[in-house]
Amino acid sequence: AQKVTQAQTEISVVEKEDVTLDCVYETRDTTYYLFWYKQPPSGELVFLIRRNSFDEQNEISGRYSWNFQKSTSSFNFTITASQVVDSAVYFCALSDDQGGSEKLVFGKGTKLTVNP
Amino acid sequence: GAGVSQSPRYKVAKRGQDVALRCDPISGHVSLFWYQQALGQGPEFLTYFQNEAQLDKSGLPSDRFFAERPEGSVSTLKIQRTQQEDSAVYLCASSPPASGGTDTQYFGPGTRLTVL
Repeated sequence: AQKVTQAQTEISVVEKEDVTLDCVYETRDTTYYLFWYKQPPSGELVFLIRRNSFDEQNEISGRYSWNFQKSTSSFNFTITASQVVDSAVYFCALSDDQGGSEKLVFGKGTKLTVNP
Repeated sequence: GAGVSQSPRYKVAKRGQDVALRCDPISGHVSLFWYQQALGQGPEFLTYFQNEAQLDKSGLPSDRFFAERPEGSVSTLKIQRTQQEDSAVYLCASSPPASGGTDTQYFGPGTRLTVL
């Protein structure tokens, strides 16, 4: 069965600190896709990244970086030099296309608060 | 271009009333998804359409929930005889024709349903 675990419920940091959000997933498929979404207080889910199971290269986009490790079934997200605007709930999600459905299975989210 | 739009943004219903929630996907997007997000939780999958075909409805919690997408564009999620436990944010997402595997889902702002 598919499962995504985000063990950190809430994290609070001071501006300019680096912060890592953890994501551990479970799937029996060898082909799967991992995603991160941001949900600011306005409520709309904003897409951040999509990664397939065959691409283990880490990715960097500005202050954001992602560390994908199949050996530990983890897909962690790091924000460098955090800013107040980074305050949001962040969700990790998995899709393994079981039965032809492209549904996403989400973790419970990590609420990040960046204080000035 | 225009993103996914949903209406109404807020809906208050008395227990036992029927409600209809509308989703307008991004133009040209083939796949459409509905998710339910309870307060403080991650979104949970309800149902999935590819064009007008409902390919997966395994997440619909009861036969009171019904979704349709008759012309392969706009979708409606209908909840009959609403109960208090139906109170949640209902999110719609759409994705383009898959180039291989699960494509990125883009989310609308959601409809917040409150059942009194």
